[in-house]
Amino acid sequence: KAGVTQTPRYLIKTRGQQVTLSCSPISGHRSVSWYQQTPGQGLQFLFEYFSETQRNKGNFPGRFSGRQFSNSRSEMNVSTLELGDSALYLCASSLPTSGGADEQFFGPGTRLTVL
Amino acid sequence: AQSVAQPEDQVNVAEGNPLTVKCTYSVSGNPYLFWYVQYPNRGLQFLLKYITGDNLVKGSYGFEAEFNKSQTSFHLKKPSALVSDSALYFCAVRDGGSGNTGKLIFGQGTTLQVKP
Repeated sequence: KAGVTQTPRYLIKTRGQQVTLSCSPISGHRSVSWYQQTPGQGLQFLFEYFSETQRNKGNFPGRFSGRQFSNSRSEMNVSTLELGDSALYLCASSLPTSGGADEQFFGPGTRLTVL
Repeated sequence: AQSVAQPEDQVNVAEGNPLTVKCTYSVSGNPYLFWYVQYPNRGLQFLLKYITGDNLVKGSYGFEAEFNKSQTSFHLKKPSALVSDSALYFCAVRDGGSGNTGKLIFGQGTTLQVKP
């Protein structure tokens, strides 16, 4: 099976712009979660989508949003970019079965640089 | 609140020696525990997980981890380290009873350096 794919792999934007990142989960996986990774804050959970519904949300401002399509592909959007949004954005997919016991499989990430 | 602590920023070990990367956790319900590894410019790669049952969990690439409920720990171990094991290791937890099925809480990460 193909793994989780994320596009684009690298992005350079300027402050105030908006950006959309895309994630295609492993075939058959219905849950997609997004994480932000920075040297200072480490890995932080952004949100999770399952069956086109946001099921969980982390502590990020409303500038961060996402959605999931009927084929389980997901996008996240960041509006009004700030310098602090520079990070590696990771997407992870899982089946899931029941109770959250499934491991998540991560994509290679999108490296966003805000100038 | 859920939390994970990896007390060591870096662990140095000689090739062929055993390695341990430490992790402690805090959750209100039953812990689901995971270890991931990250190589430079790559995403996270799943190593192993503890959900229930045997406290010693075996995973990929010869890694194993021991769940200790009384010490709330889930240390990652390998009997004989390889230079290729050098990478960034993350411990993560999910509260099994919380319904937060897609939300993992990660530790800060531990850099493992294996020297020839």
